[in-house]
Amino acid sequence: SQELEQSPQSLIVQEGKNLTINCTSSKTLYGLYWYKQKYGEGLIFLMMLQKGGEEKSHEKITAKLDEKKQQSSLHITASQPSHAGIYLCGAGASGGSNYKLTFGKGTLLTVNP
Amino acid sequence: NAGVTQTPKFRVLKTGQSMTLLCAQDMNHEYMYWYRQDPGMGLRLIHYSVGEGTTAKGEVPDGYNVSRLKKQNFLLGLESAAPSQTSVYFCASRFRDSPSKLFFGSGTQLSVL
Repeated sequence: SQELEQSPQSLIVQEGKNLTINCTSSKTLYGLYWYKQKYGEGLIFLMMLQKGGEEKSHEKITAKLDEKKQQSSLHITASQPSHAGIYLCGAGASGGSNYKLTFGKGTLLTVNP
Repeated sequence: NAGVTQTPKFRVLKTGQSMTLLCAQDMNHEYMYWYRQDPGMGLRLIHYSVGEGTTAKGEVPDGYNVSRLKKQNFLLGLESAAPSQTSVYFCASRFRDSPSKLFFGSGTQLSVL
């Protein structure tokens, strides 16, 4: 089964600093998704990347997909306390079946004011 | 604008008791999922359904049963609860043709003593 490894597991930054979260797949990526979870809530969809080299932005959050490395990175510019939460990457099952989405274990982001 | 609604939000069970978690979505989504989230384990898929009347096993199905009698509802049952089933349970749904964009409920915190 496909495994997604996220790094770092947790991150504490000062407000205004930039940061990067990585997600590496054990198998070929057919699309990668980023979600954010606030404490005590469900996950909220941020963005989806499908093609190698693709880059998308959502407010101050930018994600890129490197198909060759089977990796995606999520970059936050000038972090704010509102960016705090758990960021999870997800991917569809390989081999054409896209019913099941698997997720990484998440990266816990704390932004200190 | 209800989206995905999970009931109950909290529950405490004794070992051996049974219960049903209800997930309801009002977006006419074809696919529905049940995940559990545990510290250090991330989100793991329990069961999923690709349409009314159909269900399939996910990554960790043992000890759980599901039913999808109506398109808008997906029920997760625990016949004989065990302490290992203490977790936060999330329901999610999506359109068939939108594999990335899952909509999540706010979760059910279940403790089995």
